[in-house]
Amino acid sequence: GAVVSQHPSRVICKSGTSVKIECRSLDFQATTMFWYRQFPKQSLMLMATSNEGSKATYEQGVEKDKFLINHASLTLSTLTVTSAHPEDSSFYICSAPPRAGQGYTFGSGTRLTVV
Amino acid sequence: DQQVKQNSPSLSVQEGRISILNCDYTNSMFDYFLWYKKYPAEGPTFLISISSIKDKNEDGRFTVFLNKSAKHLSLHIVPSQPGDSAVYFCAARYTGTASKLTFGTGTRLQVML
Repeated sequence: GAVVSQHPSRVICKSGTSVKIECRSLDFQATTMFWYRQFPKQSLMLMATSNEGSKATYEQGVEKDKFLINHASLTLSTLTVTSAHPEDSSFYICSAPPRAGQGYTFGSGTRLTVV
Repeated sequence: DQQVKQNSPSLSVQEGRISILNCDYTNSMFDYFLWYKKYPAEGPTFLISISSIKDKNEDGRFTVFLNKSAKHLSLHIVPSQPGDSAVYFCAARYTGTASKLTFGTGTRLQVML
């Protein structure tokens, strides 16, 4: 079945630095990728939708300059958390939308801890 | 504005008994609903879905019921097994939103031996 590979699975960074999270569709092409964030014991909240070849669409309240999303190719979407702060510590998950006969494909998630 | 809510943050059930997880939504535009199981630090795993044109869908031990008039859906797991212990999320989407999913707040299910 369809697989989305997400890396890194866990990252610890210092406050003020930037962190890049990658999601690759391994056996299919994804023109769109959804990026979610989950705080402890809370729901998965959609942050933005990346679109191959065009600008990402951000949900209300999400800072575009802080969460840079790039969809460089049909198999790679990246989320960069710029100038990270402790409040950005969260679990970030990507998801490819459903295709014919397939459901949503989720990455395994990235646990970001900013110290 | 939480459009999809799971009012029970946790549920404990004895092994072999039925687990019933509930979900309420407010947006009448939603036309497709899904249930996911999730472990900490992992991505969600799809369980079962239902279209708004149906009121029931069954897959093995999992059955989802949809009550459109009440804007309510439920997931029944029977018989419950210890391996079912996880956090369960319902999710919803509607046509025209580029397949974006709106997730509920989650219910932690613990199946006891």
